[in-house]
Amino acid sequence: EVQLVQSGAEVKKPGESLKISCKGSGYSFTSYWIGWVRQMPGKGLEWMGIIYPGDSDTRYSPSFQGQVTISADKSISTAYLQWSSLKASDTAMYYCARRGYSYGLSFDYWGQGTLVTVSS
Amino acid sequence: QSVLTQPPSVSGAPGQRVTISCTGSSSNIGAGYDVHWYQQLPGTAPKLLIYGNSNRPSGVPDRFSGSKSGTSASLAITGLQAEDEADYYCQSYDSSLSGWGVFGTGTKVTVL
Repeated sequence: EVQLVQSGAEVKKPGESLKISCKGSGYSFTSYWIGWVRQMPGKGLEWMGIIYPGDSDTRYSPSFQGQVTISADKSISTAYLQWSSLKASDTAMYYCARRGYSYGLSFDYWGQGTLVTVSS
Repeated sequence: QSVLTQPPSVSGAPGQRVTISCTGSSSNIGAGYDVHWYQQLPGTAPKLLIYGNSNRPSGVPDRFSGSKSGTSASLAITGLQAEDEADYYCQSYDSSLSGWGVFGTGTKVTVL
């Protein structure tokens, strides 16, 4: 069974750093792109970026380029999303999702989400 | 801001048919990129509903259907049920974003 399990909720202060994770199982982790999606409170979904764990090829949406870093450790089938200096506006739910091949390059499996709260 | 525009809300009585539009441009839907649809029930992660414009993953009821024409796509729900009350998002790719992805603005479906 394909699963993406994300790390737990985080409460941080502005200026702090953070790295959240997304562990894949039940499939060949290195063969599928993993995307990160932001959902701010009461708002819609936003495509942040995507990584191919097989060779760490990473692409960012222009809105998020330079704001976050996406990485992966294929040895432990885990993708990461990190911030070096959080802002209050980073408060959101963050989802990872697998971009599959059987369903037309859609996101076919999703993690449960990681809630990040940034507040002083 | 998203390059794919959806109506903020649609509503219908149980049993009725509702449609949700997803309007793009010549750099995304009109460029031939496929459109996918996701359903997000309250407090849960999104779920793939329609892929490749008009295909349903296994387990998705045939009450849900998708279509694409020109620079737009649509999701139709026939025989609306209470459990269909959710947010719906279209998703495609855009050549102005180096060919990477974009979501629609989202539509809240309310069952009256």
